[in-house]
Amino acid sequence: QSVLTQPPSVSAAPGQKVTISCSGSSSNIGNNYVAWYQQLPGTAPKLLIYENDKRSSEIPDRFSGSKSGTSATLGITGLQTGDEADYYCGTWDNSLIAVFGGGTKLTVL
Amino acid sequence: QVQLVESGGGVVQPGRSLRLSCAASGFTLSRYGMHWVRQAPGKGLEWVAVISYEGTNKYYADSVKGRFTVSRDTSKNTLSLEVNSLRTVDTAVFYCVRGLRYSSGWYFDSWGQGTLVTVSS
Repeated sequence: QSVLTQPPSVSAAPGQKVTISCSGSSSNIGNNYVAWYQQLPGTAPKLLIYENDKRSSEIPDRFSGSKSGTSATLGITGLQTGDEADYYCGTWDNSLIAVFGGGTKLTVL
Repeated sequence: QVQLVESGGGVVQPGRSLRLSCAASGFTLSRYGMHWVRQAPGKGLEWVAVISYEGTNKYYADSVKGRFTVSRDTSKNTLSLEVNSLRTVDTAVFYCVRGLRYSSGWYFDSWGQGTLVTVSS
């Protein structure tokens, strides 16, 4: 059971927009920055978003991040079939450990 | 460019040990907090351990504390993870990950391709 809560799956049609939520607590998201990672099938995770809303290098502006209180959201617009992947939120916890969400599988219909 | 290459995984019996290694290139490992993150088959990501850039501070997930030890060799620019008293639940791909520090934590900007550890009798 993951410390951060994400929906197991989301889906949308090509060209549409999707959001993925990530819920935590005051000991993690509430007091730390959130990052988002994309894991394409059979590959290692890749950093998408860091410090809540900053895009990593070479990440298109179709990807965005936000945080409010103890929750964070990843948004993806103009969906492409190549966006099909597992997406993980992650942050640091006050107990000096890194924590992740359970991951959300994005399907582009 | 930044590259992390893990090695040392394999099939091992419960209770035995392994030493995982990560060769870093394109940057100086001792200037960053370096982490291990694992992923059980078909499961999500689980953070395992970190060694701070100074090399003096090490933190572990409760699930591995006392069994796993993270270390580094700055002369070889390599990171290691000694995994002892292995259990079947430790079966996972282990990723070597570079951390970028912010005020109260890290985020992970570079990941290796991973090395698979399978614990089975």
